[in-house]
Amino acid sequence: QVQLVESGGGVVQPGRSLRVSCAASGFTFSSYAMHWVRQAPGKGLEWVAVISYDGSNKYYADSVKGRFTISRDISRNTLYLQMNSLRAEDTAVYYCAKDSSPGGGTTWFDYWGQGTLVTVSS
Amino acid sequence: EIVMTQSPATLSVSPGERATLSCRASQSVSSNLAWYQQKPGQAPRLLIYGASTRATGFPARFSGSGSGTEFTLTISSLQSEDFAVYYCQQYNNWWTFGQGTKVEIK
Repeated sequence: QVQLVESGGGVVQPGRSLRVSCAASGFTFSSYAMHWVRQAPGKGLEWVAVISYDGSNKYYADSVKGRFTISRDISRNTLYLQMNSLRAEDTAVYYCAKDSSPGGGTTWFDYWGQGTLVTVSS
Repeated sequence: EIVMTQSPATLSVSPGERATLSCRASQSVSSNLAWYQQKPGQAPRLLIYGASTRATGFPARFSGSGSGTEFTLTISSLQSEDFAVYYCQQYNNWWTFGQGTKVEIK
């Protein structure tokens, strides 16, 4: 069965960096685009970033462009989100999500991890 | 950016009653629309894709309809496990979510 397990969240000061990870299993990780989606406390869902199945294409929401970097390690079946210059408004639960279609394209998210909480506070 | 607007923000329904949730897109998204269910403390779970196709594990009391800019999620007879927040998402042009509709017990 598909499993996505995030880790790496925590409390970080404004302006600092943090990297969160998502360990994937139960499917061919190298065949699917992967996403990060975040949810601020008590708020709705916001798409953050996507990486293509082979890592060659990466796209970001305007709110994080230039500060966040998505990457993947096929050998470790792991997705990453490097977050730099963090702001209070980046405080959220960060979910990784699997794209539904092998190879990419604009599609829905068929599996989600349980999320990891990132709190940006001094 | 395509803006997704859900209504109402909160829907109070008695168990066994019908619930109708709406989602409107700021421009046409064809049938590239998904619905997700999120219960407290849990991750979102795919419910509907392609505007009307139910995901694995959800019963027939859940149905989706619409195309273009207007979409509806209907729960025909609410069960206790259906009380949750429901989000619509367009995937026609990148990905954007509505702000959610909370279905609560009346």
